[in-house]
Amino acid sequence: ELKVEQNPLFLSMQEGKNYTIYCNYSTTSDRLYWYRQDPGKSLESLFVLLSNGAVKQEGRLMASLDTKARLSTLHITAAVHDLSATYFCAVGRSNFGNEKLTFGTGTRLTIIP
Amino acid sequence: AAGVIQSPRHLIKEKRETATLKCYPIPRHDTVYWYQQGPGQDPQFLISFYEKMQSDKGSIPDRFSAQQFSDYHSELNMSSLELGDSALYFCASSLAPPMWGGPPDTQYFGPGTRLTVL
Repeated sequence: ELKVEQNPLFLSMQEGKNYTIYCNYSTTSDRLYWYRQDPGKSLESLFVLLSNGAVKQEGRLMASLDTKARLSTLHITAAVHDLSATYFCAVGRSNFGNEKLTFGTGTRLTIIP
Repeated sequence: AAGVIQSPRHLIKEKRETATLKCYPIPRHDTVYWYQQGPGQDPQFLISFYEKMQSDKGSIPDRFSAQQFSDYHSELNMSSLELGDSALYFCASSLAPPMWGGPPDTQYFGPGTRLTVL
């Protein structure tokens, strides 16, 4: 059974600091996603990582994937308050063109001014 | 750009009642997924449909059923509601890859339906 774990579960950090969220998964995956969710809101797709060594960056967020270690990271650079949200990684497993997502436990990020 | 539409956005039901949630995918998307997110939990995959056929099934209770219609919208029917069914229910849609292969499309999530069972 596929298991996806994130750490930390909660992260409180000051504006301007850097930090990394880790996502470990237990079996081979097809794709790795990062989503952002604001309280009570929908899931916003941030990154899709397709292959080993993939790195994607958007603004202050950068995601990477190491398929051999079954590890993905989401790095936050010089955090700002607007980045406060819950971040989920999700592993995609393809099945005849469909893709079932298994989500990690989520990391609730709070940026303190 | 058009997004996934879900209705209703909020629903309050009593125990043992039934509920129907609706999902209208992004135009041209032919694949629909349903996820359940309990309070403080991560989303859990329930079921998916491609071209009106069930394509995958997750941890969906037997009390729940779903279908996809000819216009690609989908409905999740929930019967004998229990307190533990209170959650956010998300629908996501995507465009299936061509017949000759290729990676699945990214899933785009709707705003969710918040179901409260009293």
